[in-house]
Amino acid sequence: KAGVTQTPRYLIKTRGQQVTLSCSPISGHRSVSWYQQTPGQGLQFLFEYFSETQRNKGNFPGRFSGRQFSNSRSEMNVSTLELGDSALYLCASSLNTNTGELFFGEGSRLTVL
Amino acid sequence: QQQVKQSPQSLIVQKGGISIINCAYENTAFDYFPWYQQFPGKGPALLIAIRPDVSEKKEGRFTISFNKSAKQFSLHIMDSQPGDSATYFCAAKFGAGSYQLTFGKGTKLSVIP
Repeated sequence: KAGVTQTPRYLIKTRGQQVTLSCSPISGHRSVSWYQQTPGQGLQFLFEYFSETQRNKGNFPGRFSGRQFSNSRSEMNVSTLELGDSALYLCASSLNTNTGELFFGEGSRLTVL
Repeated sequence: QQQVKQSPQSLIVQKGGISIINCAYENTAFDYFPWYQQFPGKGPALLIAIRPDVSEKKEGRFTISFNKSAKQFSLHIMDSQPGDSATYFCAAKFGAGSYQLTFGKGTKLSVIP
């Protein structure tokens, strides 16, 4: 069974640009979450989607947005990039059972110059 | 914001020794406490998890000890091996209907031969 796939793996942008990151969950997983990982702040929750609906959103500015499609694939977008947005963006999927286990992808490493 | 505090930030253990990582939480509504292991260049992977109605869970060399009254839990790695060298994150899930995890800031474990 294929794992969580994130694209692109690496990207470099400049301040003010926008970026879209993509995530394909494990087949059959309907819940997708996004996390930002930085050395200083660790892993921070961005948002969670289930059946195309955002269930929760973390404490991030409105420049961060996401969506989920009917095939459970998800995208997140960051507009008007700032230097502080440089991070590893991790997508995780889950079966939405009571185990609560998240399966993470390898992440998209964003560098903002 | 619900917090999970993790210590130490880094840990060096000799091969065969016991590695101990501690976490403390604030919100008693957390209902699931997983530990994730992350190798460089990879996403976090679930190592072991516990629910608050259990005081200890063991899987191979890995044991979670949970103290509900003190709101603390810890990961013990017995007979630590160089292959265990990774960053470990404790986390907590808040309530039903969501898979949002609040993570500790991580412990970088180095097991030296």
